[in-house]
Amino acid sequence: ILNVEQSPQSLHVQEGDSTNFTCSFPSSNFYALHWYRWETAKSPEALFVMTLNGDEKKKGRISATLNTKEGYSYLYIKGSQPEDSATYLCASRQASGGGADGLTFGKGTHLIIQP
Amino acid sequence: DAGVIQSPRHEVTEMGQEVTLRCKPISGHDYLFWYRQTMMRGLELLIYFNNNVPIDDSGMPEDRFSAKMPNASFSTLKIQPSEPRDSAVYFCASSLVWGNRLAEQFFGPGTRLTVL
Repeated sequence: ILNVEQSPQSLHVQEGDSTNFTCSFPSSNFYALHWYRWETAKSPEALFVMTLNGDEKKKGRISATLNTKEGYSYLYIKGSQPEDSATYLCASRQASGGGADGLTFGKGTHLIIQP
Repeated sequence: DAGVIQSPRHEVTEMGQEVTLRCKPISGHDYLFWYRQTMMRGLELLIYFNNNVPIDDSGMPEDRFSAKMPNASFSTLKIQPSEPRDSAVYFCASSLVWGNRLAEQFFGPGTRLTVL
């Protein structure tokens, strides 16, 4: 059974501050790491799919880094805004013969931006 | 495209009743996934299909759960008989080319199931 851990479980940040949180995943048979943003009562929305060690991806004020050797990824949000309030999920995908395994999700980091 | 469509959005039923959840994937997507979201366990994969064929059902909790995909545009997840511990949000997701390492999954809005 894969173990994908996210920390912290929840986070309160003042508007305008920057923040980051962590996802750890098994480094063996690593295939891809996904980040999703999930607002209450909506569908989880894909942010990034990362595959290469040392990879860094950016979308607006949100960026993510990946270390596949030690099995962790960081998500950064610069200059937090109220609309960033959501649960951020990471999910690990492990290699298999067909390369088509499902995703194993962490429990998420619940981010609340306080005005 | 309308995205992944799930119905119903909310379902309240009594213990012992049969429950059927429905999903329409994004047109052209060959892969369909069913997930269950609970506070205790987070988002768990139940089963996924490729070209309407179940590939991995190891996440299906027990025989009370079954899933079908009779064609490329429709899938059902059935619970019979339902139990209170089945209460959760059930998500359906689809993917165009899941065999590609950079492939994404696109999620539906979920069905919130409450079993009394």
